[in-house]
Amino acid sequence: SYELTQPPSVSVSPGQTARITCSGDALPKKYAFWYQQKSGQAPVLVMYEDNRRPSGIPERFSGSSSGTMATLTISGAQVEDEGDYYCYSTDNNFSHSVFGGGTKLIVL
Amino acid sequence: QITLKESGPALVKPTETLTLTCTFSGFSLNTDGLAVGWIRQPPGKALEWLGLIYWDDDKHYSPSLKSRLTFTKNTSKNEVVLTMTNMDPVDTATYYCAHSVRGDSHNWYFDLWGRGTLVTVSP
Repeated sequence: SYELTQPPSVSVSPGQTARITCSGDALPKKYAFWYQQKSGQAPVLVMYEDNRRPSGIPERFSGSSSGTMATLTISGAQVEDEGDYYCYSTDNNFSHSVFGGGTKLIVL
Repeated sequence: QITLKESGPALVKPTETLTLTCTFSGFSLNTDGLAVGWIRQPPGKALEWLGLIYWDDDKHYSPSLKSRLTFTKNTSKNEVVLTMTNMDPVDTATYYCAHSVRGDSHNWYFDLWGRGTLVTVSP
């Protein structure tokens, strides 16, 4: 079955740039989506179709995709950006979708 | 304003069938290009995609759970129902329903989620 691979954790100091990666064989042809989940809360969409930011998401969040890797970048990470981040995409056959294993972002 | 809310039993016994209801407002599941999806998350673990039910009543299920899952919709009541048979303790998780839209290149994604409901499977 299709899999998306993320690093378990990323740690940065406040104001630094955080980069969270997601690798998957279908990403050259399929969009990546990113969700932020803070402790005890439901996930929130922070990036869609590789690099489009939903309304209400701060401009410090950006996305990119190249080859089999998608990246969520948080420029000038803030303490309030701490949480788990999940990438999401679909296999090449559109038969099903998957989430990555999640990356815990630590900002301290 | 779109809202979704999951409801159902907090506790089920092994081998029982789980039935969860997603009650939503702010959209109609008769609308072309919309769907409702289900996602679950075991305590302390990652999100798992369970599947989607589309505006035209088509469905996609997780290949690993396809034999146990059924999604139905009642558009007049703005409800989607998840049924999962033969529950096991490994199915203990928070179950979310989410509003799904069709983006470019026919990618479907979740743009708004319910708060989720914790289901524990235990004798």
